[in-house]
Amino acid sequence: GQQVMQIPQYQHVQEGEDFTTYCNSSTTLSNIQWYKQRPGGHPVFLIQLVKSGEVKKQKRLTFQFGEAKKNSSLHITATQTTDVGTYFCAGRGSSNTGKLIFGQGTTLQVKP
Amino acid sequence: GAVVSQHPSWVICKSGTSVKIECRSLDFQATTMFWYRQFPKQSLMLMATSNEGSKATYEQGVEKDKFLINHASLTLSTLTVTSAHPEDSSFYICSARDGTHSPYEQYFGPGTRLTVT
Repeated sequence: GQQVMQIPQYQHVQEGEDFTTYCNSSTTLSNIQWYKQRPGGHPVFLIQLVKSGEVKKQKRLTFQFGEAKKNSSLHITATQTTDVGTYFCAGRGSSNTGKLIFGQGTTLQVKP
Repeated sequence: GAVVSQHPSWVICKSGTSVKIECRSLDFQATTMFWYRQFPKQSLMLMATSNEGSKATYEQGVEKDKFLINHASLTLSTLTVTSAHPEDSSFYICSARDGTHSPYEQYFGPGTRLTVT
């Protein structure tokens, strides 16, 4: 079945450094979503990417969707302590109404 | 924005008892609701998908008779953990999809932390 792999599992950075997490799917996706989960909290929707090669920005966050629609990345520029949390990618299969499969998540720690 | 509520937010129960968790979409009609389970420091694992008025579709390895899902209306779905055991202790999160709007974004509830003693 469809699998979504995410790396790295953990990342510790100094405040101000950049951070990137990568997501790869075993199958072509119709779209991919990114979520952030703070410790003790629930996943909060960040963004959805739909088009091949799409790039979207939210302030210091840059999201990319690969040309083959099988991989994606989230890049944070100049991390801040408020960026701490676990970032999940979640891919939806070939159907736009298919189920969302979550990656394992990347937990980001930021040292002040 | 769309809001999904869950009740209770946490529950402690004794082994062998049943627990019901409610998931409500507050300001939209959820044509589809999803139930996830998350163990500590792990990802969200989809348990089942339910469409209003029809039987839930369970993921492989999830026991239908143990995790009863009812999606009786467009704003309410319930998950009942029957004959709970300590290994069922987990964070249960529901998600609702507003099927009338693109891009079929899923909205997550705040989760229910279940502890079985």
